[in-house]
Amino acid sequence: GAGVSQSPRYKVAKRGQDVALRCDPISGHVSLFWYQQALGQGPEFLTYFQNEAQLDKSGLPSDRFFAERPEGSVSTLKIQRTQQEDSAVYLCASSLEMTNSPLHFGNGTRLTVT
Amino acid sequence: LAKTTQPISMDSYEGQEVNITCSHNNIATNDYITWYQQFPSQGPRFIIQGYKTKVTNEVASLFIPADRKSSTLSLPRVSLSDTAVYYCLVGDDNYGQNFVFGPGTRLSVLP
Repeated sequence: GAGVSQSPRYKVAKRGQDVALRCDPISGHVSLFWYQQALGQGPEFLTYFQNEAQLDKSGLPSDRFFAERPEGSVSTLKIQRTQQEDSAVYLCASSLEMTNSPLHFGNGTRLTVT
Repeated sequence: LAKTTQPISMDSYEGQEVNITCSHNNIATNDYITWYQQFPSQGPRFIIQGYKTKVTNEVASLFIPADRKSSTLSLPRVSLSDTAVYYCLVGDDNYGQNFVFGPGTRLSVLP
């Protein structure tokens, strides 16, 4: 079956622009996570959804970052007024449920802010 | 939140067995130990998960001693394609923040 799909694969934005990154989780997966991964570093947690409810957004670095999952499936991570420090790979992961289910990751969106 | 410590890098040769140890001294009673593998330009991929003793699947084994303060991922007879970063995660099912990745171990398999 299809895995986690993220789009676009690459995004170049000029500083100050808004961007929207999309994640299509595996069908039926309840939990959805967003991570930010800088070059040479491990993924860093941003936010977590259980169905449409955003249960944890403590990892979002600033109020310029906003995530939603309105119907409990597709999720969008929006970054307003992008800054150069936002350049990173943004990874989305989904899992069947929260109880120790393995995370299934997409291949990420590489955001470059110029 | 249990913190993990892994070697930053390891080198091995094709055909050898590789063991990567992760320390998690403050692991909680409900925490599971999960390992992921990541290739360049890809998202992490689940390898194996365990709670105690030994777990084995088609790609790896996970050894967890009785005190659960460490765990060892064992990759039998590695090949060049096993060159990747390996992450150890420790957490339970309560909060998203429990899925915390450290810097991982960069394994280089040489011919």
